[in-house]
Amino acid sequence: DSGVTQTPKHLITATGQRVTLRCSPRSGDLSVYWYQQSLDQGLQFLIQYYNGEERAKGNILERFSAQQFPDLHSELNLSSLELGDSALYFCASSPGLQGINQPQHFGDGTRLSIL
Amino acid sequence: GESVGLHLPTLSVQEGDNSIINCAYSNSASDYFIWYKQESGKGPQFIIDIRSNMDKRQGQRVTVLLNKTVKHLSLQIAATQPGDSAVYFCAENRMFSGGYNKLIFGAGTRLAVHP
Repeated sequence: DSGVTQTPKHLITATGQRVTLRCSPRSGDLSVYWYQQSLDQGLQFLIQYYNGEERAKGNILERFSAQQFPDLHSELNLSSLELGDSALYFCASSPGLQGINQPQHFGDGTRLSIL
Repeated sequence: GESVGLHLPTLSVQEGDNSIINCAYSNSASDYFIWYKQESGKGPQFIIDIRSNMDKRQGQRVTVLLNKTVKHLSLQIAATQPGDSAVYFCAENRMFSGGYNKLIFGAGTRLAVHP
């Protein structure tokens, strides 16, 4: 058990809809990272938050947004969903900013299926 | 591009044999590397890490070797067990313009352990 909790485990929805994925980091971790994993893309970094502030962005679509709350949990919002958004979405956390000796610890993901 | 490549997408080994999973990275300035194991239906699990000022690091049944000259990373698993069957990812910590670091993940190698 990594200590990172993601909910829900599975989401099934239709194109055009909006969903929210939730992540609780390990106790004491200030950084939260979101990744998308699909068969043809591997693990793709989306966005990082540190202590409530956005720190780094990857290939995150404009239809996607995230935030980190004062209690350090984070939410990833996906809107105007398309079939291609079907994927596993992972959250990871680390104690501080990404760097040396800062391994990220991952949750078990949310599997999003768009019908 | 942003990628850490792997030489072998699939590795099949006999139970009890040693396994070696290889990874090539592209950025000579990367200073920290991590190996993750991902079992079916779960998130990537931290196995072992190594800083760029080291050549070798050992854990329980696992050893990571770093060859900075040829930008190559390997994970050795001793006495491979059926429970080692999973996809293994290498990741490099790379600094980007703006002063932030990101973990760049390889595509993954599937390890299949046969009795």
